[in-house]
Amino acid sequence: QQQVKQSPQSLIVQKGGIPIINCAYENTAFDYFPWYQQFPGKGPALLIAIRPDVSEKKEGRFTISFNKSAKQFSLHIMDSQPGDSATYFCAASSPWSSGSARQLTFGSGTQLTVLP
Amino acid sequence: EAQVTQNPRYLITVTGKKLTVTCSQNMNHEYMSWYRQDPGLGLRQIYYSMNVEVTDKGDVPEGYKVSRKEKRNFPLILESPSPNQTSLYFCASSLSGQNTGELFFGEGSRLTVL
Repeated sequence: QQQVKQSPQSLIVQKGGIPIINCAYENTAFDYFPWYQQFPGKGPALLIAIRPDVSEKKEGRFTISFNKSAKQFSLHIMDSQPGDSATYFCAASSPWSSGSARQLTFGSGTQLTVLP
Repeated sequence: EAQVTQNPRYLITVTGKKLTVTCSQNMNHEYMSWYRQDPGLGLRQIYYSMNVEVTDKGDVPEGYKVSRKEKRNFPLILESPSPNQTSLYFCASSLSGQNTGELFFGEGSRLTVL
């Protein structure tokens, strides 16, 4: 059972556009929501993350919007560039407790293409 | 340079031939994990390790083994590979089990089982 649902599967935008990637989760115990960016031939890398006590977080051109009541969060990329073309994964983390690890559940990924 | 190193990066093998994918990190991280990436399924956790000699199953552990004899190394073992294990594999590490939202990934190992 997929606990984090991500959409769309692929997305094509023109340079300067604002691609939006959406994720929905089921487990209300999740307390940390990172986004990872993966370029072809590379491993995913942490891009930006948010905790549920805030509704929005911005880092440069990347913004996470978080809606706790709807159990949804999304990634917006302002003024997108061809260099942003990559696969993006949302994820959700269970709380940490002594003796166990936070478990990270990933969405299925969105392949973004930004055309020049 | 801080990194997670996986080997081999590419491997073609045949059904039943045991293989090991090595993973090494130079960041003194306690937590290490293996994922497989398949189209439309995202990243699924195979096994993880909280520290030396402490390992546990992830979501898709069947057909895999791991060991953690040293802090820096976390090899993935396929005792008898099957075609459904054809996938892209990633090793990842984080400072501790508390920080697994901030994972550092290797560059991946693409495995094909014929």
